[in-house]
Amino acid sequence: DGGITQSPKYLFRKEGQNVTLSCEQNLNHDAMYWYRQDPGQGLRLIYYSQIVNDFQKGDIAEGYSVSREKKESFPLTVTSAQKNPTAFYLCASSTSGTGRYGYTFGSGTRLTVV
Amino acid sequence: AQKVTQAQTEISVVEKEDVTLDCVYETRDTTYYLFWYKQPPSGELVFLIRRNSFDEQNEISGRYSWNFQKSTSSFNFTITASQVVDSAVYFCALTANQAGTALIFGKGTTLSVSS
Repeated sequence: DGGITQSPKYLFRKEGQNVTLSCEQNLNHDAMYWYRQDPGQGLRLIYYSQIVNDFQKGDIAEGYSVSREKKESFPLTVTSAQKNPTAFYLCASSTSGTGRYGYTFGSGTRLTVV
Repeated sequence: AQKVTQAQTEISVVEKEDVTLDCVYETRDTTYYLFWYKQPPSGELVFLIRRNSFDEQNEISGRYSWNFQKSTSSFNFTITASQVVDSAVYFCALTANQAGTALIFGKGTTLSVSS
């Protein structure tokens, strides 16, 4: 079945560490997105990519980095510069760069700083 | 600028009650798309409905119905005869039909249905 796979489901990070969240899709979608979810804050856009080897910052990109070397993959690195990384991270993809058909979401990664 | 407002943070109902989740949006675009997603406790967002700005017909799908009114910039969602399985966070979202844009989400409404 086609879909988006995020791994790991739970991730623990020590202070000062960089961690990478994986996102893989087999839907042949061109566009991919990373959102952060905090209680009561809804979903906030971190980064998005409309095409391989190209990506744009979203509203809260500081302290995060991404790469898009393959169409299927859009990993997110949470760097030590992100001061409050504890959150639920959702990856999504869409067939259209405009998002007009909606997104397909992964099941998320819950990141906790210990 | 685009914005989605879900003023109801939390709603609690008893099974079989009807409940309406409100969504108000702001956009200057004439062509745009509105969505509702459901997020159960498992965390994954599940697509419920998509509506474009040129189609103001209300839609019904089983116990779910949606009321789209451009005059008030609202896209409200009603669950009839609610069930415990409807307990989830519900998000309303908006996007313009422009390349290089992404879905903008409201802050969500947490619905709790008790038996």
